[in-house]
Amino acid sequence: GNSVTQMEGPVTLSEEAFLTINCTYTATGYPSLFWYVQYPGEGLQLLLKATKADDKGSNKGFEATYRKETTSFHLEKGSVQVSDSAVYFCALSDRSSYKLIFGSGTRLLVRP
Amino acid sequence: GAGVSQSPSNKVTEKGKDVELRCDPISGHTALYWYRQSLGQGLEFLIYFQGNSAPDKSGLPSDRFSAERTGGSVSTLTIQRTQQEDSAVYLCASSLSVGGRAGNEQFFGPGTRLTVL
Repeated sequence: GNSVTQMEGPVTLSEEAFLTINCTYTATGYPSLFWYVQYPGEGLQLLLKATKADDKGSNKGFEATYRKETTSFHLEKGSVQVSDSAVYFCALSDRSSYKLIFGSGTRLLVRP
Repeated sequence: GAGVSQSPSNKVTEKGKDVELRCDPISGHTALYWYRQSLGQGLEFLIYFQGNSAPDKSGLPSDRFSAERTGGSVSTLTIQRTQQEDSAVYLCASSLSVGGRAGNEQFFGPGTRLTVL
């Protein structure tokens, strides 16, 4: 079945450091891929998405590229801020399906 | 524009009691989803509605769980005879459409935190 694996946290970085959160997936066909973010005390928000191979999703300085050959969708940001501290979830959705399948989430803590 | 809303935001109940959780999706969204977020299981899909019908209930953990949607809008998730393992945050999401190249973008509500004592 379809599944998503992402690196365990917490990830602790200093402000302005480079961020990578790894995400790999297993799926039949060509799923759509997502990163969702959950800030403390808030609900899940869509951060970025990619719907086909080699697409790059980007938002708020975050980027992720849909890599079919490595079945990956790693999240990157060149310079993190304290306000980026949150839990990040990688997810996929099969084109003919509807439900999102989530990874276990990675907590990011950015220190001043 | 209003987002997805859920009520109550917090619910504490005693083991064995029934609870109802409510979700108001974004106006015009035809698809509605329930997920559960718990420490041990992460984020799990529970059930999905297209209009008022539920094509997939496969994620419901037991027959104590049921959900309905009326008027293509509000949805209620009911848990009967609650157990301590039901303690979790219950999330509702809605989307304009289902699947397809649009990527099935789902918008989430703030969740209901359920604690079963």
